[in-house]
Amino acid sequence: DQQVKQNSPSLSVQEGRISILNCDYTNSMFDYFLWYKKYPAEGPTFLISISSIKDKNEDGRFTVFLNKSAKHLSLHIVPSQPGDSAVYFCAAARDTGGFKTIFGAGTRLFVKA
Amino acid sequence: KAGVTQTPRYLIKTRGQQVTLSCSPISGHRSVSWYQQTPGQGLQFLFEYFSETQRNKGNFPGRFSGRQFSNSRSEMNVSTLELGDSALYLCASSATGGSGNTIYFGEGSWLTVV
Repeated sequence: DQQVKQNSPSLSVQEGRISILNCDYTNSMFDYFLWYKKYPAEGPTFLISISSIKDKNEDGRFTVFLNKSAKHLSLHIVPSQPGDSAVYFCAAARDTGGFKTIFGAGTRLFVKA
Repeated sequence: KAGVTQTPRYLIKTRGQQVTLSCSPISGHRSVSWYQQTPGQGLQFLFEYFSETQRNKGNFPGRFSGRQFSNSRSEMNVSTLELGDSALYLCASSATGGSGNTIYFGEGSWLTVV
């Protein structure tokens, strides 16, 4: 039961252009969404998050958009840089009285110089 | 402040053995969760601990267990290891574990079962 889906296993983008990574979720109870970036042999690092009461959150070159009606979120990276090449995980969470963050399978981003 | 620390970073075990992985959360964080990452499977949730109590559990067999100590440090144990248990095991901590609390990951423990 994949509650968080990243349907594109990989994405290739030219340096300086926009990278758009997509994520869909099935559980309408999720109220907090996050993006993590992971380099090989390292743990994931937190990138940006958004609460379900918002539809956009921006942090420098990174913007996350949330469309609750479509149960869809996306991460925009503008402009893309070669150092952005990594695996990006989308995650969703809800407070169940405990804490359980569900991750997607990840999208590998290649930014070509 | 120091990040999430996991030990050991790399280990090799044989089938049937058991393994214990350790995690020290960020100072002040009380929630610790564990994830398994295998190629193509993303991050699979194992369990979450808060104040020495397991609050959430993923869909893993009983061979996977954990515990949390009074100082919030956590250990994860896998008994009767199988080849399929080879993976990167990640520990993450957050302040209280509620929604809106970002979780921060350690570097992970690479387990190879031969």
